[in-house]
Amino acid sequence: AQSVTQLGSHVSVSEGALVLLRCNYSSSVPPYLFWYVQYPNQGLQLLLKYTTGATLVKGINGFEAEFKKSETSFHLTKPSAHMSDAAEYFCAVSATHNTDKLIFGTGTRLQVFP
Amino acid sequence: KAGVTQTPRYLIKTRGQQVTLSCSPISGHRSVSWYQQTPGQGLQFLFEYFSETQRNKGNFPGRFSGRQFSNSRSEMNVSTLELGDSALYLCASSGLSGANVLTFGAGSRLTVL
Repeated sequence: AQSVTQLGSHVSVSEGALVLLRCNYSSSVPPYLFWYVQYPNQGLQLLLKYTTGATLVKGINGFEAEFKKSETSFHLTKPSAHMSDAAEYFCAVSATHNTDKLIFGTGTRLQVFP
Repeated sequence: KAGVTQTPRYLIKTRGQQVTLSCSPISGHRSVSWYQQTPGQGLQFLFEYFSETQRNKGNFPGRFSGRQFSNSRSEMNVSTLELGDSALYLCASSGLSGANVLTFGAGSRLTVL
């Protein structure tokens, strides 16, 4: 069975600081991994995804994530935080490869201080 | 092109009532999935439909049901509402079923009193 663990329900950084949001997964098949962002009163927006190929994935808004099979991790990073990055971030793994069923982590709320 | 449209955006019901939520996917998308989001349980998968067929169902009681129409629009229904059904219900669509990019709607926020 697939599962996702996001370490840290809340992360606070200063504007301009590095953002690191942690995600570890468990999957019985080669995983498809995703990071989504949710702003208040909105749905989820895809930041980036990993399916196969290059393990360093670049997404929107300057975010990137690296798939590390040996560590079963898919941590999200951004070199320099911006106030507009304040939101909730969800890591997800695809349940199987022929479905749109995603297993989500519990989310990490990112706060950015000036 | 227009995004995923969910209606209504907000609604209040009382225990025992039923509710129907609607989702219009992005034009051309044939796969629609539904998720429930609550503070306690997080995001949980409800169902997935592709070409009017339910492909997957999450671990929810039979009070939760859904369907998809020939134009790919989807509805979900919750009968005999309970307080614990209060949640944000999110619909997502994709072009093909299978680990593709899901585009989410803004959700329907249901409050059960």
